[in-house]
Amino acid sequence: GAGVSQSPRYKVAKRGQDVALRCDPISGHVSLFWYQQALGQGPEFLTYFQNEAQLDKSGLPSDRFFAERPEGSVSTLKIQRTQQEDSAVYLCASSPGHGSGNTIYFGEGSWLTVV
Amino acid sequence: AQRVTQPEKLLSVFKGAPVELKCNYSYSGSPELFWYVQYSRQRLQLLLRHISRESIKGFTADLNKGETSFHLKKPFAQEEDSAMYYCALSEGGSNYQLIWGAGTKLIIKP
Repeated sequence: GAGVSQSPRYKVAKRGQDVALRCDPISGHVSLFWYQQALGQGPEFLTYFQNEAQLDKSGLPSDRFFAERPEGSVSTLKIQRTQQEDSAVYLCASSPGHGSGNTIYFGEGSWLTVV
Repeated sequence: AQRVTQPEKLLSVFKGAPVELKCNYSYSGSPELFWYVQYSRQRLQLLLRHISRESIKGFTADLNKGETSFHLKKPFAQEEDSAMYYCALSEGGSNYQLIWGAGTKLIIKP
């Protein structure tokens, strides 16, 4: 596709349910990022992959959050036992190289509401 | 700790008027600063970065290290400029994390 694709676009989960959010980065992009954006706030960094290697997961808020990118392309962000505070937009982004000089391209986001 | 502050949640100006979106940061090193824009129902996209020193869609931003600011300016606002604008900071080099401000919603009135 032409850009970063995320699915599902909208997800309503009951508290305690597990969810999985998928990201298809732009083909060939080495770097992949996940951000969490709460209502009225800017994005906050969650985790970063360079190819299949998860180089930084310091932003994951708890051990209920897990991300993977097993073949260096598609990535999945999994949230176990969802809580209401997990309600947010989850943004995936990719860039062709590593380093801040590379332009980052964002997906449209997955809107998660935990009820 | 690094922080990016956008003091205005909402800015409303008339078409043709000058626009200035404020961004202040706290960082002890030499950061890279960015402005991202999100138009209605579209995804976040890069507007400009300070190292490029370019003008995009009539917008410019100058990094002022003394005032730790990176304000976004446009001399004559257009209705299509209405959007959310986010200022973001990177530590530069190989660092990949972006630290974001909370965003300013810009409304251009006809």
